[in-house]
This record gives sequence, structure tokens and C-alpha cells, in this order.
Amino acid sequence: DTGVSQDPRHKITKRGQNVTFRCDPISEHNRLYWYRQTLGQGPEFLTYFQNEAQLEKSRLLSDRFSAERPKGSFSTLEIQRTEQGDSAMYLCASSPRGLGYEKLFFGSGTQLSVL
Amino acid sequence: AQTVTQSQPEMSVQEAETVTLSCTYDTSESDYYLFWYKQPPSRQMILVIRQEAYKQQNATENRFSVNFQKAAKSFSLKISDSQLGDAAMYFCALSQGETSGSRLTFGEGTQLTVNP
Repeated sequence: DTGVSQDPRHKITKRGQNVTFRCDPISEHNRLYWYRQTLGQGPEFLTYFQNEAQLEKSRLLSDRFSAERPKGSFSTLEIQRTEQGDSAMYLCASSPRGLGYEKLFFGSGTQLSVL
Repeated sequence: AQTVTQSQPEMSVQEAETVTLSCTYDTSESDYYLFWYKQPPSRQMILVIRQEAYKQQNATENRFSVNFQKAAKSFSLKISDSQLGDAAMYFCALSQGETSGSRLTFGEGTQLTVNP
């Protein structure tokens, strides 16, 4: 168990640029989640995958956001035409089967700053 | 829609003392789970303790225990014999049973300071 890893740890970009984040979940975990956390707030759900299928997207996930999980392994989250309001920490988490009582294993997040 | 509220933005405790963090929630579901996660400066969220709503017995994990009051929709965390390593942001979270998998709704968090 090497844990959930996220890359990069920090990203600074200019408004209007596109950015992509990567998440590598624990290898045997079927469920993968993306959350967004702004300063002083709790994480907010963005989307989740069951294997390679994206099963739910939050209203927070505008058309500028897209997430993929090809082959049910790692996942990418892309933000197009970034805005200053996108500045936040983006957290990835995984769990074995996605059952309600399961513990989520979180990565250390990608901190995005949009200038 | 479900909500989770933590009314204490900050709390402090002396090392070796006991502290209680408050959480209230709202849900229309009868099947749900409650969690406390800890987020230290390293930013990685770590599960502290969890409670199944159908269980009346309060969960305990070593120095951590909860007071689950289902009728009042209250789920507080008690940390006994506080240690310096307990200093972190603590989040209460709700999972709405099997239909939503482990998708969590988090509260705003409580920043816990442990004074030596």
C-alpha cells in the first residue's frame, strides 16, 4: 500500500490557461473521487469514478472541468480557461468498493493558484 | 440534500486534557454513516473514527470516542489525553449509505490547537 499520490503538489498558472492534475489511487481500489477544498472550508465533492466509469458529477463541476480515468487506473482532472475562482486545493481519494461505510484514502492534494 | 455543520471554527486544549468537538448534520435518509477526519499541515486527510447510524453504541478508537445522538442529529468527537500530534483541522463528514457509495459531505472544520 503506497497510498494515493497526486501530482503536481503545487501549480501556479495565469488566468485563461489550461491545467491538468494527476491522481494515482491505491492499486486495488475501484472507486476514485475528486474533491475541491478552498481556504477555511471543508472539501466539496466534484466527481467520482467506479473503475473507468464516471458515475456522478457535482453541479460545481462546470463545463470547463473534465475528469477521466482511462483503464480504471490513474485519473486526470483538467481545468480549461482557468479563472481566479478556481484557486483551491484539489484532493483525490480512493476506496476499495465505494460502500458507504468505507474509509477514504486521500492524497496530499494539488494546490492551484490562478493569477 | 444533506448538510453538516461544525459551529466551532477553533478550539484549544492543554496537553493531556480532554476536548470535545461538535458536529450537527441534517439528512432525510435513514441509512447513513458519520465520520471524523483529521487534516494535519501535511494536508492528507486521515480517518479518525466512524459511526454507522443504525448502531446505538458509540464508536471508540483508543483515545477518540464519539457521542452520537441520532434524534438530535448530533455527532461530537471527544479526544482524551490530548497529545501535541492531535493538533490539526478536524472535519465531520456524512455518507448517505450505499446508494452514494463513499461520497462524503463535509463540515467547515474545527482547527484544534494543543498547548504544551
